[in-house]
Amino acid sequence: GENVEQHPSTLSVQEGDSAVIKCTYSDSASNYFPWYKQELGKRPQLIIDIRSNVGEKKDQRIAVTLNKTAKHFSLHITETQPEDSAVYFCAAPLTDSWGKLQFGAGTQVVVTP
Amino acid sequence: SQTIHQWPATLVQPVGSPLSLECTVEGTSNPNLYWYRQAAGRGLQLLFYSVGIGQISSEVPQNLSASRPQDRQFILSSKKLLLSDSGFYLCAWSGATRPGFFGQGTRLTVV
Repeated sequence: GENVEQHPSTLSVQEGDSAVIKCTYSDSASNYFPWYKQELGKRPQLIIDIRSNVGEKKDQRIAVTLNKTAKHFSLHITETQPEDSAVYFCAAPLTDSWGKLQFGAGTQVVVTP
Repeated sequence: SQTIHQWPATLVQPVGSPLSLECTVEGTSNPNLYWYRQAAGRGLQLLFYSVGIGQISSEVPQNLSASRPQDRQFILSSKKLLLSDSGFYLCAWSGATRPGFFGQGTRLTVV
């Protein structure tokens, strides 16, 4: 089955700086990689995703890059703001079912003013 | 548009008591449905998934069970709760092009 590793576990950045979170996956057949943001006590919310036929996708201050050869993908947040503080999870689908997700362990991002 | 409802939002139950959490989806038919659990400060773990009425697959051995009595209803149950069952339980459904839309979650504390 799929194994997803996520680093770092915590990330502290100054407001306005960039944040980068990295994930690796094990199954070379995986073809969809979502990122979720979870605020304290709330459900995870999908913030961006990428499919295996593209190498990069951007949505305002958030971007995701994918390297299929190396089997890793990254989340980039630019010009961080205090409201970006949350736990971020990467995920990859287990290939036998589209909706079964294997999640990374999460990254606690703290943006300090 | 599709919506997913999950209740209750919070629950405190004594050890050994039964459990029933309900999840319903609106605006779609024959969805794939999932139950995830998140222990405090941890990632999400897939517990069960269902591709149709009466069809349940369990991902991890545990004290819980799931049922799908109707197309858009998914229920998580236990006959006797353990302390280790405490956590944040999330129901999710997947669409044709995107997985992982989560309900609001139920925070379960077993005391």
